Amino acid sequence: AQKITQTQPGMFVQEKEAVTLDCTYDTSDQSYGLFWYKQPSSGEMIFLIYQGSYDEQNATEGRYSLNFQKARKSANLVISASQLGDSAMYFCAMRAGNGNQFYFGTGTSLTVIP
Amino acid sequence: EAGVTQFPSHSVIEKGQTVTLRCDPISGHDNLYWYRRVMGKEIKFLLHFVKESKQDESGMPNNRFLAERTGGTYSTLKVQPAELEDSGVYFCASSHPPGLAGAYEQYFGPGTRLTVT
Repeated sequence: AQKITQTQPGMFVQEKEAVTLDCTYDTSDQSYGLFWYKQPSSGEMIFLIYQGSYDEQNATEGRYSLNFQKARKSANLVISASQLGDSAMYFCAMRAGNGNQFYFGTGTSLTVIP
Repeated sequence: EAGVTQFPSHSVIEKGQTVTLRCDPISGHDNLYWYRRVMGKEIKFLLHFVKESKQDESGMPNNRFLAERTGGTYSTLKVQPAELEDSGVYFCASSHPPGLAGAYEQYFGPGTRLTVT
C-alpha cells in the first residue's frame, strides 16, 4: 500500500531560524517521486521541491531542501532562514504505483513567529 | 503562463441538490487530476484524465460523482445528489505529457470549497 505520514499537525518557528517538517512514506515500488507543496491561507497549492527515488543527491530549491533518507523512508523538508511568508500548510506527497496519482499526508501547519 | 483555475471558489448547497465544479488546466497539459480533501484528513485522489479519456477513476467514491473532460480541455465534476459527507475542498491539478521535463510535477488549482448542509 502507498502511504504518506506527516506526524506534526502544527509547528512553530522563530523568524530567521531553520525548521524541519517530517514526512515518512511507505511503498514497495522501486521507482517513485516525493514532493512538497505549500498551501497558504489563500488556498492555492504551490509546488516547492521534488526528489526522485533514484536521485542520489538531496534536492534543493533556494531555501528549501529535502532530506531524503531512503533506507528510513523519510523525506523531510528543511526550510532555512524562515520568513513570515512561510506560514502556511505544508503537504508531503508521493507519486508511486501504476498510475500518476499522488498520495498525500495530512499536512503540517507551520507558523513563523516574528 | 496562466495556472490551473477552478470555479466556483466556494459552493454551499443543500443535501440532495446538484453541484458542478469546473477546472481549467494549464494550456497544453494533457493530464488532469481531481482530488478531494475532507476536513482534517489527507488529500485523496479521485480520478485522472489523459486528454479526454479517463485513465484512472479508482478514487471516485460512488456513482453520485461524474467527471467529464469533453475535448480534452476543461473538466467538470458533478455531484448528484449531494450528501453531507461530500463536503470538503476539491482540487484539480494538471501536468505535462509524459516524457517532457517536469512531467511528474502536478500543478494545482486553488480548489473549490464545497459545503453540503
